[in-house]
Amino acid sequence: DAGITQSPRHKVTETGTPVTLRCHQTENHRYMYWYRQDPGHGLRLIHYSYGVKDTDKGEVSDGYSVSRSKTEDFLLTLESATSSQTSVYFCAISESTAFNYGYTFGSGTRLTVV
Amino acid sequence: QKEVEQDPGPLSVPEGAIVSLNCTYSNSAFQYFMWYRQYSRKGPELLMYTYSSGNKEDGRFTAQVDKSSKYISLFIRDSQPSDSATYLCAMSSRGSTLGRLYFGRGTQLTVWP
Repeated sequence: DAGITQSPRHKVTETGTPVTLRCHQTENHRYMYWYRQDPGHGLRLIHYSYGVKDTDKGEVSDGYSVSRSKTEDFLLTLESATSSQTSVYFCAISESTAFNYGYTFGSGTRLTVV
Repeated sequence: QKEVEQDPGPLSVPEGAIVSLNCTYSNSAFQYFMWYRQYSRKGPELLMYTYSSGNKEDGRFTAQVDKSSKYISLFIRDSQPSDSATYLCAMSSRGSTLGRLYFGRGTQLTVWP
């Protein structure tokens, strides 16, 4: 996925530990999003950012925090991981809120909380 | 009730078949409609975008929107094994916060040779 990189690609962590996922873009896009994808639920928005230090909550933000100190990086932190946060996490970027631009998604981070 | 409903399938068809994928929605304010394609272990990629009602064609793909029925469709003609993927519908409204999209669960499609 040119221009957007997620790290790590896979992670196994223990319940109660903090975890940080990183999204890095080289497109200089203003808008960045974190989604989680679960069977039966599809993609659900966790948090989004509309600029450096400008972030807001999505529909499933409980237990998650984000930070964006640079245009290119958007970090998602699970403050104290729980088994219900086992999921595939996708970062997406967009240069505009006009929908014909679409999102560009990263390849995802597969997180397992044991 | 979820705002966007999509039958997850799976759907399995022979090569060359016409495939019909569908979503229904409940929010009458939705006017921007998209289809994303997601290959296994990859992120979704934008396939089709349609504004308001009507049809849009791009090669073997046709997107249809029927706002009166709150129903959107994606048709794939002459399907190929390379079309095997999960197809997600997505939609939003003019008042939606900062480009936020509402996704269906995705339909898993397999096209066998």
